[in-house]
Amino acid sequence: QQQVKQSPQSLIVQKGGISIINCAYENTAFDYFPWYQQFPGKGPALLIAIRPDVSEKKEGRFTISFNKSAKQFSLHIMDSQPGDSATYFCAASMITSGNEKLTFGTGTRLTIIP
Amino acid sequence: DTAVSQTPKYLVTQMGNDKSIKCEQNLGHDTMYWYKQDSKKFLKIMFSYNNKELIINETVPNRFSPKSPDKAHLNLHINSLELGDSAVYFCASSQGEAVTTQPQHFGDGTRLSIL
Repeated sequence: QQQVKQSPQSLIVQKGGISIINCAYENTAFDYFPWYQQFPGKGPALLIAIRPDVSEKKEGRFTISFNKSAKQFSLHIMDSQPGDSATYFCAASMITSGNEKLTFGTGTRLTIIP
Repeated sequence: DTAVSQTPKYLVTQMGNDKSIKCEQNLGHDTMYWYKQDSKKFLKIMFSYNNKELIINETVPNRFSPKSPDKAHLNLHINSLELGDSAVYFCASSQGEAVTTQPQHFGDGTRLSIL
């Protein structure tokens, strides 16, 4: 049972365009929603994160939009660059037995073409 | 100044062997994790340790035994390796506060290939 559903599986965007990746979750106990960026041969690196008390968070070209009632959140990458080509994972976290547990989406392979 | 470091980066071995992967973090974090990333890039938590104590064990076969000699280290020992164990294993750490969730920091992974 996939608690965090992510789409699309792969995405091709032209340089300068907007990349949008969507995620949906089921468990309302999740209280932290990070996005990770992973380059080949590297571990996931935290990109940006949001808590459910805000609807949007922006850091540079990266924006998370959060819809608590719909249990959905999305990553927008403005002015996409070839260096943004990577696999992106959304995730959701909750405290379980006093410790946090992170559940990942299935990943989106983003390719930015010139 | 790698924050979370894993060794080895690559591990190729035969079915039935026993192997270990080491992980160290220099972030001063209290909680460490092991994740498995399969061939489809799906990341799933295996274990978490807080101050050397096992907290989460996600129905991982008991051939996998994590060991934490101190809170900066979390090693993963795997007995009787099987073909299905081929994957990339990631170590991660976080501050691990009990009240609010904290970001997790990942190592660069160990690619385990079973022949």
